[in-house]
Amino acid sequence: GAVVSQHPSWVICKSGTSVKIECRSLDFQATTMFWYRQFPKQSLMLMATSNEGSKATYEQGVEKDKFLINHASLTLSTLTVTSAHPEDSSFYICSGSGWAGMGTEAFFGQGTRLTVV
Amino acid sequence: QKEVEQNSGPLSVPEGAIASLNCTYSDRVSQSFFWYRQYSGKSPELIMSIYSNGDKEDGRFTAQLNKASQYVSLLIRDSQPSDSATYLCAVNTNAGKSTFGDGTTLTVKP
Repeated sequence: GAVVSQHPSWVICKSGTSVKIECRSLDFQATTMFWYRQFPKQSLMLMATSNEGSKATYEQGVEKDKFLINHASLTLSTLTVTSAHPEDSSFYICSGSGWAGMGTEAFFGQGTRLTVV
Repeated sequence: QKEVEQNSGPLSVPEGAIASLNCTYSDRVSQSFFWYRQYSGKSPELIMSIYSNGDKEDGRFTAQLNKASQYVSLLIRDSQPSDSATYLCAVNTNAGKSTFGDGTTLTVKP
């Protein structure tokens, strides 16, 4: 399958600081990137959908001013958690979708474990 | 009613047995169906995709889709301890955007 690289794999930050997570599609052009959040023992919850060159679409209940998404190119999308608080501690996962010869599957990055202290 | 529902776990089977995982979905216009495996602390990994009614086999895995019943399942034959993980059912209505079930945790006992 196609490869999506997500960095960093884990990060610890102080409350009130901002954290940027990068997601790159390595061998295909991801016209759409999805950002998910997963709390322990829960399923993935879609946060937002971003299309290259346009503003992200956020799911209900997700603060767009807190979770800034940039999808400036077909191979890179970033999620910035601004003014992070302990309740933002979670597993964040991106997935990229685009023609990679495999239909409409979305391919996941490795995930980022964020801990806010 | 949840958009995607999976049979509640945890599911425990002995090594070598068949594990059966079930999933139902509510949106009739759903086009694509996927099974992901997720190990604890790791990102989901795609193991099967299915688009048309019937069975699709890949090694020890068989996905079954019945759109009339809005039902998709995953069978794992000759289960191995390494198959122990949480299995997520995902349904797509728009290209790439997946709605996930809550997952079923499978334990394969040696």
